[in-house]
Amino acid sequence: GQNIDQPTEMTATEGAIVQINCTYQTSGFNGLFWYQQHAGEAPTFLSYNVLDGLEEKGRFSSFLSRSKGYSYLLLKELQMKDSASYLCAASRDSSYKLIFGSGTRLLVRP
Amino acid sequence: GAGVSQSPSNKVTEKGKDVELRCDPISGHTALYWYRQSLGQGLEFLIYFQGNSAPDKSGLPSDRFSAERTGGSVSTLTIQRTQQEDSAVYLCASSLEVGSSTGELFFGEGSRLTVL
Repeated sequence: GQNIDQPTEMTATEGAIVQINCTYQTSGFNGLFWYQQHAGEAPTFLSYNVLDGLEEKGRFSSFLSRSKGYSYLLLKELQMKDSASYLCAASRDSSYKLIFGSGTRLLVRP
Repeated sequence: GAGVSQSPSNKVTEKGKDVELRCDPISGHTALYWYRQSLGQGLEFLIYFQGNSAPDKSGLPSDRFSAERTGGSVSTLTIQRTQQEDSAVYLCASSLEVGSSTGELFFGEGSRLTVL
């Protein structure tokens, strides 16, 4: 079976740190993607994890634990423009399909 | 083009009518994907193309849905006899090749379909 779970909504304060969790159950799991989607806009690629551990890219970091079926996206020094939906997606070996979660809507408040 | 282009950006139609949604992928991208995003839901895979071929159509919700791609470029998603449950944002994405090293998909801004 395939299942991706992430919280529906989160709220955080400008300048703070927020962690968005994602758990997955995907047969033949290959890697884990995070996409950002502002309202009415196209999803844009943030990160891709294949190996266990933390990948850091500026203010954004993504973590993967394959044994636990768990990932998180860490956003530091939050800015108002970070208010968006964050989509977790799993890829499978030799597969063209990304299996997406329902997305986490993040609201950053002043 | 510079990015994935979709048209129309918004379409309102009456139940029972046919609609066509168009996607123009990034030049040189051989793989093209259609996803559907309903309100508050994740992206639902519909179909993908490798070149002009669609090896997997299993994501299409019913036989009212069809898609084609010509010249390894533009793709059209057609929905016949639209129903209210077809209302959603239809997203197109392209990638350099299927199963590329990062698998990064480049998305268009979507076509918002509303069926009255």
